Amino acid sequence: QVQLVESGGGVVQPGRSLRLSCAASGFTFSRYAMHWVRQAPGKGLEWVALISYDGSSKYYTDSVKGRFTISRDNSKNTLYLQMNSLRVEDTALYYCARGGLIVVDAFDLWGQGTMVTVSS
Amino acid sequence: QSALTQPRSVSGSPGQSVTISCTGTSSDVGGYNYVSWYEQHPGKAPKLMINDVTKRPSGVPDRFSGSKSGNTASLTISGLQAEDEADYYCCSYAGSYTWVFGGGTKLTVL
Repeated sequence: QVQLVESGGGVVQPGRSLRLSCAASGFTFSRYAMHWVRQAPGKGLEWVALISYDGSSKYYTDSVKGRFTISRDNSKNTLYLQMNSLRVEDTALYYCARGGLIVVDAFDLWGQGTMVTVSS
Repeated sequence: QSALTQPRSVSGSPGQSVTISCTGTSSDVGGYNYVSWYEQHPGKAPKLMINDVTKRPSGVPDRFSGSKSGNTASLTISGLQAEDEADYYCCSYAGSYTWVFGGGTKLTVL
Protein backbone atom coordinates (compact mmCIF):
# COMPACT_ATOMS: atom_id res chain seq x y z
CA GLN A 1 0.00 0.00 0.00
CA VAL A 2 0.95 3.66 -0.20
CA GLN A 3 3.28 4.33 2.71
CA LEU A 4 6.44 5.88 4.06
CA VAL A 5 8.57 4.10 6.65
CA GLU A 6 11.34 5.93 8.48
CA SER A 7 14.33 4.32 10.18
CA GLY A 8 17.75 5.20 11.57
CA GLY A 9 16.84 7.12 14.69
CA GLY A 10 18.53 6.57 18.02
CA VAL A 11 20.43 8.13 20.90
CA VAL A 12 23.57 10.07 19.98
CA GLN A 13 25.95 12.41 21.77
CA PRO A 14 26.13 16.11 20.89
CA GLY A 15 28.46 16.74 17.97
CA ARG A 16 28.00 13.28 16.48
CA SER A 17 26.22 12.25 13.28
CA LEU A 18 23.21 10.17 12.31
CA ARG A 19 21.58 9.25 9.00
CA LEU A 20 17.85 8.78 8.71
CA SER A 21 16.16 6.84 5.92
CA CYS A 22 12.62 6.86 4.60
CA ALA A 23 11.46 3.99 2.40
CA ALA A 24 8.58 4.77 0.08
CA SER A 25 6.20 2.27 -1.46
CA GLY A 26 2.92 2.15 -3.34
CA PHE A 27 3.46 5.24 -5.46
CA THR A 28 5.88 6.60 -8.05
CA PHE A 29 8.45 8.04 -5.66
CA SER A 30 10.50 9.71 -8.39
CA ARG A 31 7.63 12.06 -9.33
CA TYR A 32 7.27 13.71 -5.94
CA ALA A 33 9.10 16.34 -3.93
CA MET A 34 9.86 15.07 -0.43
CA HIS A 35 10.27 16.72 2.96
CA TRP A 36 11.54 16.08 6.46
CA VAL A 37 9.48 17.53 9.30
CA ARG A 38 10.34 17.18 12.99
CA GLN A 39 8.49 17.39 16.28
CA ALA A 40 10.30 17.90 19.56
CA PRO A 41 8.77 16.05 22.52
CA GLY A 42 5.53 17.75 23.53
CA LYS A 43 6.03 20.47 20.95
CA GLY A 44 4.69 21.44 17.54
CA LEU A 45 5.73 20.56 14.02
CA GLU A 46 8.76 22.16 12.36
CA TRP A 47 9.61 21.93 8.67
CA VAL A 48 13.23 20.86 8.22
CA ALA A 49 14.11 20.26 4.58
CA LEU A 50 12.83 19.80 1.03
CA ILE A 51 14.26 17.93 -1.94
CA SER A 52 12.90 18.17 -5.46
CA TYR A 53 11.62 15.11 -7.31
CA ASP A 54 14.93 14.55 -9.07
CA GLY A 55 17.23 15.61 -6.22
CA SER A 56 18.55 18.62 -8.07
CA SER A 57 17.22 21.20 -5.62
CA LYS A 58 17.47 21.17 -1.82
CA TYR A 59 16.30 23.64 0.79
CA TYR A 60 16.61 23.81 4.57
CA THR A 61 15.31 25.65 7.60
CA ASP A 62 17.92 28.08 8.91
CA SER A 63 18.70 26.14 12.10
CA VAL A 64 20.00 23.09 10.20
CA LYS A 65 21.75 24.74 7.25
CA GLY A 66 25.33 23.54 6.94
CA ARG A 67 24.71 20.61 9.32
CA PHE A 68 21.95 18.53 7.67
CA THR A 69 21.85 17.20 4.12
CA ILE A 70 18.75 15.84 2.43
CA SER A 71 19.18 13.40 -0.43
CA ARG A 72 17.30 10.70 -2.29
CA ASP A 73 17.90 7.57 -4.33
CA ASN A 74 15.02 7.20 -6.77
CA SER A 75 16.28 3.76 -7.85
CA LYS A 76 15.76 2.58 -4.26
CA ASN A 77 12.63 4.67 -3.54
CA THR A 78 14.40 6.04 -0.49
CA LEU A 79 14.81 9.48 1.08
CA TYR A 80 17.67 10.31 3.43
CA LEU A 81 18.62 12.92 6.00
CA GLN A 82 22.29 13.09 6.98
CA MET A 83 22.54 14.92 10.28
CA ASN A 84 25.98 16.14 11.38
CA SER A 85 27.13 18.21 14.37
CA LEU A 86 23.98 17.25 16.22
CA ARG A 87 22.78 19.48 19.04
CA VAL A 88 20.55 18.81 22.03
CA GLU A 89 17.88 20.97 20.40
CA ASP A 90 17.75 18.57 17.42
CA THR A 91 16.06 16.01 19.68
CA ALA A 92 12.75 15.21 18.00
CA LEU A 93 10.59 12.72 16.17
CA TYR A 94 11.56 13.05 12.53
CA TYR A 95 8.86 12.48 9.92
CA CYS A 96 9.32 12.15 6.20
CA ALA A 97 6.43 13.58 4.24
CA ARG A 98 5.45 13.51 0.61
CA GLY A 99 5.10 16.84 -1.13
CA GLY A 100 3.28 17.18 -4.37
CA LEU A 101 3.85 16.99 -8.04
CA ILE A 102 4.16 20.75 -7.65
CA VAL A 103 6.85 21.75 -5.13
CA VAL A 104 4.56 24.05 -3.12
CA ASP A 105 1.94 21.34 -2.65
CA ALA A 106 0.97 20.34 0.88
CA PHE A 107 2.34 17.29 2.70
CA ASP A 108 -0.22 14.66 1.82
CA LEU A 109 1.44 11.47 3.09
CA TRP A 110 3.42 11.03 6.30
CA GLY A 111 5.46 8.24 7.81
CA GLN A 112 5.19 7.23 11.46
CA GLY A 113 8.44 8.95 12.36
CA THR A 114 11.80 7.94 13.80
CA MET A 115 13.01 9.33 17.13
CA VAL A 116 16.34 11.11 17.43
CA THR A 117 17.64 11.86 20.92
CA VAL A 118 20.77 13.98 21.30
CA SER A 119 22.13 13.70 24.80
CA SER A 120 25.43 13.36 26.59
CA GLN B 1 10.87 32.00 10.05
CA SER B 2 8.67 32.67 13.08
CA ALA B 3 5.93 30.16 13.80
CA LEU B 4 2.39 31.02 12.85
CA THR B 5 0.12 31.94 15.77
CA GLN B 6 -2.67 29.57 16.78
CA PRO B 7 -4.77 29.46 19.97
CA ARG B 8 -3.40 26.88 22.37
CA SER B 9 -6.80 25.28 22.83
CA VAL B 10 -10.41 25.38 21.70
CA SER B 11 -13.40 23.34 22.75
CA GLY B 12 -16.93 22.56 21.70
CA SER B 13 -19.80 20.19 22.34
CA PRO B 14 -20.81 17.44 19.93
CA GLY B 15 -22.77 18.88 17.03
CA GLN B 16 -21.43 22.39 17.48
CA SER B 17 -18.98 24.23 15.24
CA VAL B 18 -15.50 25.44 16.18
CA THR B 19 -13.06 27.65 14.33
CA ILE B 20 -9.30 27.62 14.75
CA SER B 21 -7.37 30.67 13.62
CA CYS B 22 -3.85 30.82 12.24
CA THR B 23 -2.17 34.22 12.01
CA GLY B 24 0.96 34.91 10.06
CA THR B 25 2.35 37.76 8.00
CA SER B 26 2.30 39.02 4.46
CA SER B 27 5.42 36.90 3.90
CA ASP B 28 3.60 33.64 4.50
CA VAL B 29 -0.16 33.28 5.08
CA GLY B 30 -1.01 36.62 3.49
CA GLY B 31 1.35 36.23 0.57
CA TYR B 32 0.38 32.83 -0.80
CA ASN B 33 -2.68 30.64 -1.16
CA TYR B 34 -0.71 27.66 0.11
CA VAL B 35 -2.09 27.21 3.61
CA SER B 36 -2.70 23.66 4.80
CA TRP B 37 -4.14 22.12 7.95
CA TYR B 38 -3.14 18.89 9.68
CA GLU B 39 -4.88 16.76 12.31
CA GLN B 40 -2.74 14.82 14.75
CA HIS B 41 -4.08 12.32 17.25
CA PRO B 42 -1.83 11.39 20.23
CA GLY B 43 1.03 9.14 19.18
CA LYS B 44 0.03 9.31 15.52
CA ALA B 45 1.42 10.98 12.42
CA PRO B 46 -0.20 14.17 11.15
CA LYS B 47 -2.92 13.85 8.52
CA LEU B 48 -3.64 16.42 5.82
CA MET B 49 -7.13 17.86 6.21
CA ILE B 50 -7.09 21.03 4.07
CA ASN B 51 -4.67 22.21 1.38
CA ASP B 52 -4.43 25.35 -0.72
CA VAL B 53 -6.50 27.25 1.90
CA THR B 54 -9.86 25.68 1.04
CA LYS B 55 -9.39 22.28 -0.65
CA ARG B 56 -10.35 19.03 1.04
CA PRO B 57 -8.36 15.94 0.04
CA SER B 58 -10.32 12.85 -0.85
CA GLY B 59 -11.68 11.12 2.23
CA VAL B 60 -11.79 14.18 4.48
CA PRO B 61 -15.35 14.83 5.70
CA ASP B 62 -17.04 17.95 4.37
CA ARG B 63 -17.49 19.05 7.99
CA PHE B 64 -13.97 20.43 7.65
CA SER B 65 -13.53 23.70 5.77
CA GLY B 66 -10.82 26.30 5.38
CA SER B 67 -10.70 29.99 4.62
CA LYS B 68 -8.34 32.94 4.65
CA SER B 69 -8.61 36.68 5.12
CA GLY B 70 -5.47 38.78 4.90
CA ASN B 71 -2.77 37.30 7.11
CA THR B 72 -5.14 34.99 8.99
CA ALA B 73 -6.31 31.55 7.90
CA SER B 74 -9.05 29.58 9.62
CA LEU B 75 -10.15 25.98 9.95
CA THR B 76 -13.81 25.39 10.77
CA ILE B 77 -15.12 22.05 11.95
CA SER B 78 -18.91 21.81 11.92
CA GLY B 79 -21.05 19.08 13.44
CA LEU B 80 -18.31 18.33 15.96
CA GLN B 81 -17.77 14.63 16.72
CA ALA B 82 -15.84 12.92 19.51
CA GLU B 83 -13.31 11.61 17.00
CA ASP B 84 -12.37 15.18 16.06
CA GLU B 85 -10.61 15.61 19.40
CA ALA B 86 -6.97 16.06 18.39
CA ASP B 87 -4.22 18.61 17.83
CA TYR B 88 -4.54 20.76 14.72
CA TYR B 89 -1.67 22.50 12.97
CA CYS B 90 -1.72 25.09 10.23
CA CYS B 91 1.14 25.40 7.78
CA SER B 92 1.98 28.01 5.17
CA TYR B 93 4.43 28.25 2.33
CA ALA B 94 6.79 31.09 3.30
CA GLY B 95 8.62 31.73 0.05
CA SER B 96 12.06 30.65 -1.13
CA TYR B 97 10.99 27.00 -0.80
CA THR B 98 10.49 27.12 2.94
CA TRP B 99 7.44 26.34 5.07
CA VAL B 100 6.31 27.45 8.52
CA PHE B 101 3.91 25.70 10.91
CA GLY B 102 1.70 27.08 13.60
CA GLY B 103 2.25 26.12 17.22
CA GLY B 104 -0.76 23.82 17.22
CA THR B 105 -4.23 23.92 18.77
CA LYS B 106 -5.65 21.27 21.06
CA LEU B 107 -9.32 20.65 20.27
CA THR B 108 -11.37 19.23 23.11
CA VAL B 109 -14.83 17.80 22.44
CA LEU B 110 -16.80 18.32 25.64
